[in-house]
This record gives sequence, C-alpha cells and structure tokens, in this order.
Amino acid sequence: DTEVTQTPKHLVMGMTNKKSLKCEQHMGHRAMYWYKQKAKKPPELMFVYSYEKLSINESVPSRFSPECPNSSLLNLHLHALQPEDSALYLCASSDRVRGDTQYFGPGTRLTVL
Amino acid sequence: GEDVEQSLFLSVREGDSSVINCTYTDSSSTYLYWYKQEPGAGLQLLTYIFSNMDMKQDQRLTVLLNKKDKHLSLRIADTQTGDSAIYFCAETPGAGNNRKLIWGLGTSLAVNP
Repeated sequence: DTEVTQTPKHLVMGMTNKKSLKCEQHMGHRAMYWYKQKAKKPPELMFVYSYEKLSINESVPSRFSPECPNSSLLNLHLHALQPEDSALYLCASSDRVRGDTQYFGPGTRLTVL
Repeated sequence: GEDVEQSLFLSVREGDSSVINCTYTDSSSTYLYWYKQEPGAGLQLLTYIFSNMDMKQDQRLTVLLNKKDKHLSLRIADTQTGDSAIYFCAETPGAGNNRKLIWGLGTSLAVNP
C-alpha cells in the first residue's frame, strides 16, 4: 500500500480565517513533506519532517505552521493567508531507511479570498 | 547548482509511442524519477531508476538512463488518451543529506485520438 491521504480535498478561506490541512500515511515512512504547487508548475518544497522533527523549512512565511503529532500524521496550520497563497498543497512521505522515494497524496486545493 | 530540464510539450497520436526527455546536471545523482500529474490530481509516482542502472522496463513504460550525457528518457508504448497528463522528471542530488528533489518544469503530453 503506497497511499497518502489528505483532507480536505478543497478549502476556501478568508484572509482572517484559521484552518488546518491534514495528511496521513500508514506505510511506516519516517519522512513527511509539505509542498505548494501552482498550476502547471513543479511542486515547491515547504517543509520536511524527518523522524517527527522539522528538518527543513524552506523560508516559508510564518502564516504557515507545520506540525507532526506522530509518525503517521502531518498537519499544516494556516492563518492570515493572502490570495497569492491559493494553490494545490501536496503532502508526501518517504522511507528514509530504504531510499527516499516520495509518495504523494491527492492534495488540497486551497482558495484564499 | 543542480538543474533538470525537460521539453514543455509533446503531442502524439493514440497508439503511437511517446518519448519524454529530461537532462540533468548533477553527475552524482542517486535516483531519478518520473511522476505523472493528471488535471486536478496529485503526483503519481510512475517509475524510478537508480543511477547505476541503464534501463528499467515496467509494462508499457521504459526508462533509459545515459549517465555520460546526463540524459533520462521515458518511453510510453501504445499511448492512450488516459496518458494525457504532465510528466515531471526529478532527481535526488548525490551531495548532502537533505535529499531534496530537484524538479524539471514538466512535459505536457497531449494524446490525440
């Protein structure tokens, strides 16, 4: 099973709202990733958690706050977003021990009004 | 720095073979990947090849790696309309432990009936 699940599928929020994106995997992977993807562009790495510790933050604005409650779950908390933050947010996971092939979830389509 | 390049568009007729090409600059790349993204969907891992391999075949997909020229190709035999998508080439650089993927801009494949 190489499934990564993400909820919600779609999210519309105002600039003053607080919302969270959720990601889950049950492959025993110890690395999890958040990416942002604009239409017809490659994904841009935002955060990497390795063994539940934040290992990479690609200078992402603080209005995006990641959280890794356990090895299967990854959250992205959103607050005071801007319209330019509208994008597809993708979660991925990889097995750090047996190679780092990343498996992606279906994404959350976020629209900021 | 590391770079991955792909042609942006490819159009083929249904039933023909498609060949999508990718070049990369990092001679110490470890893994090279092909991901497929259908409209509105997440990234699907199609196949990957380790840098000590020359070729990998998986049903209709054939991956060829020319390390000397730093060239990777994906051949899709008997291309179907369901193969219409954006195909991203990505590599894992050999240097460093963060193993961030370096992405091409994606090749948009259009399959005409």
